[in-house]
Amino acid sequence: AQRVTQPEKLLSVFKGAPVELKCNYSYSGSPELFWYVQYSRQRLQLLLRHISRESIKGFTADLNKGETSFHLKKPFAQEEDSAMYYCALSSGGFKTIFGAGTRLFVKA
Amino acid sequence: EPEVTQTPSHQVTQMGQEVILRCVPISNHLYFYWYRQILGQKVEFLVSFYNNEISEKSEIFDDQFSVERPDGSNFTLKIRSTKLEDSAMYFCASTSRGQEEKLFFGSGTQLSVL
Repeated sequence: AQRVTQPEKLLSVFKGAPVELKCNYSYSGSPELFWYVQYSRQRLQLLLRHISRESIKGFTADLNKGETSFHLKKPFAQEEDSAMYYCALSSGGFKTIFGAGTRLFVKA
Repeated sequence: EPEVTQTPSHQVTQMGQEVILRCVPISNHLYFYWYRQILGQKVEFLVSFYNNEISEKSEIFDDQFSVERPDGSNFTLKIRSTKLEDSAMYFCASTSRGQEEKLFFGSGTQLSVL
């Protein structure tokens, strides 16, 4: 069965500190993985996807098939990074499943 | 950037009533989806729709739910007889080429069943 696990509901860091939001997945095939972000009063939007191997707003995420993880990282957190972050998995069918989300709070 | 539009932003209804949630996907998109998020819980997949038919649906999407693309621009979710547990934020999304593309989400309709 497909599953996405985000073990932390809330992550609080100081501005300038490194951030790592954890995501583990369960899927027997080759998944496509995404990070979506929802800023306060805004709609859910794509942050990055593993296939693009890009860095967006200083965030990166590497797919580790051995550990079935897709953790989101940023070396220096900024206050404007405070938001809800969702890891998501698409199995190539017609659906994407989401993790429970991690709320990131960056303190000044 | 083009946006997915959802109306209304809030809907309050009595238990047992029918509700229709409306969405206007991005105009050149071909794949349409409904998700929901109960307060404090994860975003859950409900249904995907392509080529005028349901492509995939979750176990949540029982026979009380239906979707329709009535006129080539709107995409609707109907709940025939609402229950208290249907109270949630409902998100519409669309993509141009299926799940390998990013989902464009609407801003959601908050449904409250009293």
